[in-house]
Amino acid sequence: QSALTQPRSVSGSLGQSVTISCTGTSSDVGAYNYVSWYQQHPGKAPKLMIYDVNKRPSGVPDRFSGSKSGNTASLTISGLQAEDEADYYCCSYAGSYTVVFGGGTKLTVL
Amino acid sequence: QITLKESGPTLVKPTQTLTLTCTFSGFSLSTSGVGVGWIRQPPGKALEWLALIYWDADKRYSPSLKSRLTIKDTSENQVVLTMTNMDPVDTGTYYCAHRDYYDSRWSFDYWGQGTLVTVSS
Repeated sequence: QSALTQPRSVSGSLGQSVTISCTGTSSDVGAYNYVSWYQQHPGKAPKLMIYDVNKRPSGVPDRFSGSKSGNTASLTISGLQAEDEADYYCCSYAGSYTVVFGGGTKLTVL
Repeated sequence: QITLKESGPTLVKPTQTLTLTCTFSGFSLSTSGVGVGWIRQPPGKALEWLALIYWDADKRYSPSLKSRLTIKDTSENQVVLTMTNMDPVDTGTYYCAHRDYYDSRWSFDYWGQGTLVTVSS
């Protein structure tokens, strides 16, 4: 069970869109529609932003959306705002009632 | 309202055993589909899933740490994680989190604030 692969950093300007990828294998991301995404600001606990690939918990802005193709899941943030600057982690069900996280991506809003 | 809070030592010595407690409210671990997980984060590094305990008492562990971890439900709205043979690389913030299969499937929808554990002699 290896960590999912995410880009170390991405950046985008205010109002623009960015996409963060999360690449796994046919045993985790590719096998199940159970990818979730978490936002983490410095010194804070992670916050669930997307679950089941593309579902948003109550209270999460619809600027956040998720998708999946094959072994790669993606988180897209449209209309970037300053408060979106944070670290983002993907997570996938990996079978046998276990999960695996990604390496994290630092989003910088320019 | 679901809340979780981690507690335990802030400093442990190498080779010692770490015991962390997650005290929660607003849900029951005996409810079908519910689980409590532990996730850790070394300083400046990524989240790493450690263990999960489910409503039916099933327990699952990270394959890479399985031999060192034990998770248990005290039946008093607390979940305890023990990790043996601590090493400085185990330094980090340890989080507990709630999971409900019938709500958000295989995701953690509520998290504790985390507790920082330093391993040093």
